[in-house]
Amino acid sequence: ETGVTQSPTHLIKTRGQQVTLRCSSQSGHNTVSWYQQALGQGPQFIFQYYREEENGRGNFPPRFSGLQFPNYSSELNVNALELDDSALYLCASSLDLNTQYFGPGTRLTVL
Amino acid sequence: KNEVEQSPQNLTAQEGEFITINCSYSVGISALHWLQQHPGGGIVSLFMLSSGKKKHGRLIATINIQEKHSSLHITASHPRDSAVYICAVEGGTSYGKLTFGQGTILTVHP
Repeated sequence: ETGVTQSPTHLIKTRGQQVTLRCSSQSGHNTVSWYQQALGQGPQFIFQYYREEENGRGNFPPRFSGLQFPNYSSELNVNALELDDSALYLCASSLDLNTQYFGPGTRLTVL
Repeated sequence: KNEVEQSPQNLTAQEGEFITINCSYSVGISALHWLQQHPGGGIVSLFMLSSGKKKHGRLIATINIQEKHSSLHITASHPRDSAVYICAVEGGTSYGKLTFGQGTILTVHP
């Protein structure tokens, strides 16, 4: 149990739709990172938020966006969903860029 | 070539065997992580290393910065160790942004 929760657990959307995934960090953790894990692959870094500001971004298009809130929760938003967006989305929280604690993930299926 | 390479990709062992999973990386790093992922997706951080060796229970992780290589060892393996083990590195100037290997699928039979 890492103290990091994600919702929903599973989600099915259709191409072109928009989705919001949520992450609740461990209390006091000021950093959250989001990762996309396609089936059979290692996770890929999407972006990181540190004290509510974006602190780096991986190789993902602008239709992937995020927010971090003062209550340690965060969101990942994906617009104009594509079939290839089907994946497990993981968030990880940490205090000042130290050891990351991962949530259980949200499995997104795009039909 | 991926920045982080793990071997083997699949590993099958009998209960009680000593297991080694290897990780090689090609970039300068500030830290290397070993993670465990069970079916269903949840990831647990096992170790975060920047030098030397760490031990936790039956798990041992080592890193050789000069050779850009790390190993994860499991002593007296048990079926509950069956999982995907992932090596991930943090770049020298990219604190907190992990680059992951493809993972090693470990199956331990009773």
